[in-house]
Amino acid sequence: DSGVTQTPKHLITATGQRVTLRCSPRSGDLSVYWYQQSLDQGLQFLIQYYNGEERAKGNILERFSAQQFPDLHSELNLSSLELGDSALYFCASSGDPGQGFYGYTFGSGTRLTVV
Amino acid sequence: AQSVAQPEDQVNVAEGNPLTVKCTYSVSGNPYLFWYVQYPNRGLQFLLKYITGDNLVKGSYGFEAEFNKSQTSFHLKKPSALVSDSALYFCAVRDLGSGYSTLTFGKGTMLLVSP
Repeated sequence: DSGVTQTPKHLITATGQRVTLRCSPRSGDLSVYWYQQSLDQGLQFLIQYYNGEERAKGNILERFSAQQFPDLHSELNLSSLELGDSALYFCASSGDPGQGFYGYTFGSGTRLTVV
Repeated sequence: AQSVAQPEDQVNVAEGNPLTVKCTYSVSGNPYLFWYVQYPNRGLQFLLKYITGDNLVKGSYGFEAEFNKSQTSFHLKKPSALVSDSALYFCAVRDLGSGYSTLTFGKGTMLLVSP
C-alpha cells in the first residue's frame, strides 16, 4: 500500500456521461497530481494542486476539471465522455516543495472504460 | 520543456543475465531523474532517483542507474535479472516549465525476463 488511495478502481460508463474520480494523498503530502495513461499516449500529465490551489496544468481537456479540498483529497471530474477517454487515471502525491522535490508516490489508479 | 526518451519499446533478457533499460534526457539546468516500475494492474512504484552526487545510484530490488552527463543518459541496470522483474519501466525527469515541479515521463519500456 503506497498510502495514496484512489477510488473507484474500475468505472464503466456510457459516452456523454460524467464521472468523478477521487484521490486521497499520502499522509502529510500537500501536492496532488493527476495523470492519464493510455496505450497510444503513454503517461500524460493533466493537472497539479498544492494545498488547495491549482499549480500546474498539462494536457487537460476543457471537459475535464479537478479540485483539491481542505482535507487535501482531490477529485477529477470528466464530463461529456468520449470513447477516447478510456484510460487509466493515476493520482500521485508529493511532500512540501520547500523540503525539496523527491518524486511522487502513486496510487493504484482508476481504470475508466467508456462504452 | 524537459523530456526523456526511452528508445526501446521492449527489452528481452534471460534470467540471470544482466539487464539494461535505456533512457536519455533533455533538460535545461541540473537534471532530476527518476525510474519507476509498473506491474500489471498496479500503480507506478518508485525505484530510484538522481538529484546530485554519485553518478551511480542504487535503488530498490537490486536496481541501479548510471547518470552520464556527457551522453545525457540515465540507463537502468541490474547485474542479474529475475523473472519477477518483468514489468513496464518508466524514466522521468523533473519539469519546471510551470514554475512548479512536475514529472515528465518517457513512453515506457517493457522488460521481459525469460526463465
